[in-house]
Amino acid sequence: DADVTQTPRNRITKTGKRIMLECSQTKGHDRMYWYRQDPGLGLRLIYYSFDVKDINKGEISDGYSVSRQAQAKFSLSLESAIPNQTALYFCATADGSYNEQFFGPGTRLTVL
Amino acid sequence: ELKVEQNPLFLSMQEGKNYTIYCNYSTTSDRLYWYRQDPGKSLESLFVLLSNGAVKQEGRLMASLDTKARLSTLHITAAVHDLSATYFCAVDVRAGSYQLTFGKGTKLSVIP
Repeated sequence: DADVTQTPRNRITKTGKRIMLECSQTKGHDRMYWYRQDPGLGLRLIYYSFDVKDINKGEISDGYSVSRQAQAKFSLSLESAIPNQTALYFCATADGSYNEQFFGPGTRLTVL
Repeated sequence: ELKVEQNPLFLSMQEGKNYTIYCNYSTTSDRLYWYRQDPGKSLESLFVLLSNGAVKQEGRLMASLDTKARLSTLHITAAVHDLSATYFCAVDVRAGSYQLTFGKGTKLSVIP
């Protein structure tokens, strides 16, 4: 079984809808991250969490919110989706003194 | 603002040839990470370079880090088609931040 899972894997939605993307991990890592990937732009950090009570904004947090329900679960919400949020979204986890991150399979989100 | 610049962004090379991908960064970080992404897939950790002069090798890939020059290289030896992928470098935003900033990626195509 995969160590980092994301659901759904693909989602098509309409402008204005609320969307939640979920991430679960069995690695036992404390740190969890949400990124978005757009062609030609690399990965950009949306939010990150060092434990259940520690959530921080990343480079591009506007229009997004997160919830860390447990050490193993970290959800990303789009309160009112807009077309420029169409992207590939990745969850990642990390632990220890250096920052090697382990990525989930990704969620491809399309906002029409 | 931290910048991580990779070049080239696109690389087409013949099987059997050697080539180097460069990653320049503007922070004083002494840690650098290389990832591989196959089309439509997630990111896979390749190398973790933790200090100046670090060199890691795996198969036909070798990564090195020069923190004084703020430069990492990913050298490909005798390329094979299976190495076709997008390669990303990433650096810690600052020591102890546990945040990564990614380059835009180098898309490598190895042609038979």
